Amino acid sequence: AQTVTQSQPEMSVQEAETVTLSCTYDTSENNYYLFWYKQPPSRQMILVIRQEAYKQQNATENRFSVNFQKAAKSFSLKISDSQLGDTAMYFCASHYGGATNKLIFGTGTLLAVQP
Amino acid sequence: DSGVTQTPKHLITATGQRVTLRCSPRSGDLSVYWYQQSLDQGLQFLIQYYNGEERAKGNILERFSAQQFPDLHSELNLSSLELGDSALYFCASSARQGSSYGYTFGSGTRLTVV
Repeated sequence: AQTVTQSQPEMSVQEAETVTLSCTYDTSENNYYLFWYKQPPSRQMILVIRQEAYKQQNATENRFSVNFQKAAKSFSLKISDSQLGDTAMYFCASHYGGATNKLIFGTGTLLAVQP
Repeated sequence: DSGVTQTPKHLITATGQRVTLRCSPRSGDLSVYWYQQSLDQGLQFLIQYYNGEERAKGNILERFSAQQFPDLHSELNLSSLELGDSALYFCASSARQGSSYGYTFGSGTRLTVV
């Protein structure tokens, strides 16, 4: 079965500091994509960053970057210069090519940015 | 505004009843996905439609059904509702059958069964 695991239910970081959220996944596919979604208190699901498995270069979007370790099946999210607005639930998700037309989500990490 | 519209935003109903949740995908998107988010189970994939046809099915109960209409909007029907069906139901859309660019989510329908 294809699974996504987030082992940190909750994390806290001081404003302006850097935090890393962990995610591991399990697949036998070669072609897949990985995502981090943010769910703030408004409950809206917002795409933060996307990584293509066949690309070795780690994706970066402003203050958000990933550390993609394909062999280890690890996909962590680093948030630099944390802001109060980053307080949210963060979900790691994977999509595999072929017939599995769905995103598989981890259980989420609740991040609290402290002033 | 993500471009994916879900109605209603909130719904309170009694056990045993039937409700219909509606989703209009982002303009140009052909795929619609339904997810259930419960407090203790995260986001669970229910079902996917592409251009009117069912393409993938997840852990969707037999009491639940869905369809996608010719204008591409989708409806999720929940019947014989139980307390445990209380959850946030998300609809998401993508341009193609595959979601390699990620999905665009609606703001969800909060269902409360009392």
